[in-house]
Amino acid sequence: DAGVIQSPRHEVTEMGQEVTLRCKPISGHDYLFWYRQTMMRGLELLIYFNNNVPIDDSGMPEDRFSAKMPNASFSTLKIQPSEPRDSAVYFCASTLRGSTGELFFGEGSRLTVL
Amino acid sequence: QQQVKQSPQSLIVQKGGISIINCAYENTAFDYFPWYQQFPGKGPALLIAIRPDVSEKKEGRFTISFNKSAKQFSLHIMDSQPGDSATYFCAAYFNTNAGKSTFGDGTTLTVKP
Repeated sequence: DAGVIQSPRHEVTEMGQEVTLRCKPISGHDYLFWYRQTMMRGLELLIYFNNNVPIDDSGMPEDRFSAKMPNASFSTLKIQPSEPRDSAVYFCASTLRGSTGELFFGEGSRLTVL
Repeated sequence: QQQVKQSPQSLIVQKGGISIINCAYENTAFDYFPWYQQFPGKGPALLIAIRPDVSEKKEGRFTISFNKSAKQFSLHIMDSQPGDSATYFCAAYFNTNAGKSTFGDGTTLTVKP
């Protein structure tokens, strides 16, 4: 079985540009999470979905960030406009309700905003 | 307010030694305590987890010790190997709900041959 698939793996962009990160969760999983990892702040939960519905977006840093989950097999995290402080590794993770709570992470998207 | 405090930030151990990483939590409503292992360029992956009704859980060379009264839990890696070199995160969940989770800041473990 394929794990959580994220794209792109690396993105370098200039300040002010729009960035879209993509995630395909594990088939059958009903929870999807977006995390951001930086040296300064560690692993931060940005937003999570249950059955494609956003449940808690309190971790989204500001209005420049938005996330969608149009169907059970696809989610996007968009940053518009991007800023240098958004540079980080963004992880998508999924899990199944009623399971042990184990999060299955993708390999991450490393974003560099110049 | 940081709900899970992890220490040390980094750890260097000789091959064959014991690696110990500690976490302390504040909220007694947490009911699931996983440890994740992350290799460079990869996402974190579940290593081992424990619930508060158990004081110890062992899987191979990895053991979680849990002290409910002290609100502390720790990861012990016995016979540490260079392949164990990675970053380790402790976490705490409410109701086994990863959406109600908080992660420690991580410990970078280096095992020297």
